[in-house]
Amino acid sequence: EIVLTQSPGTLALSPGERATLSCRASQTVSNIHLAWYQQKPGQAPRLLIYGASRRATGIPDRFSGSGSGTDFTLTISGLEPEDFAMYYCQQHGSSPPSTFGQGTRLEI
Amino acid sequence: QVQLQESGPGLVKPSETLSLSCSVSGGSINSGNYYWNWIRQPAGKGLEWIGRIYTSGSTNYNPSLKSRVSISLDTSKNQFSLRLSSMTAADTAMYYCARGAGAYYDFWGQGSLVAVSS
Repeated sequence: EIVLTQSPGTLALSPGERATLSCRASQTVSNIHLAWYQQKPGQAPRLLIYGASRRATGIPDRFSGSGSGTDFTLTISGLEPEDFAMYYCQQHGSSPPSTFGQGTRLEI
Repeated sequence: QVQLQESGPGLVKPSETLSLSCSVSGGSINSGNYYWNWIRQPAGKGLEWIGRIYTSGSTNYNPSLKSRVSISLDTSKNQFSLRLSSMTAADTAMYYCARGAGAYYDFWGQGSLVAVSS
């Protein structure tokens, strides 16, 4: 099973700042198999990034994804108040076919 | 726009079987190269993928739950369902259904909160 470890657990920043969230895999993950989600309290997760670096429909360009192999990064440039939420990375593999990281809480 | 909506009991007794349904609107569950998933999240914790079903009826399950899980498809109702047997307090969680597209989940239901208690 591929384990995804996200860091930091909590990231405290101010609006306008840049956020850098990390997702490290225990084994190599193909870029096309890495995605990022945003989850706000009381809501379902929302797809932000797929294929490691492709923004999902309707996602602002301040969100960007990068990385390869075992290290992936979600960057939010110029934080807006609505960006403060939980973020999860997810990989698509073999057994089990899908695992998520434990999440990073982005707080003001 | 595709929409998913979970339905089912909010409370299940220990040892009983949970049955949840996910209704899909805004598109046929049979169309496109998609697959249909169940994912759960205990309160304050992370996401756990439970399993998926393809339109062919083929299924895959999380090995940690495989002995207790069953996912089925009802194309006539445009919905798919989850059955999880031998429920315990550890199964208390928000249960989400989601559409799989390639290697990610692009549409999610709002979630169905399930508590296990006698």
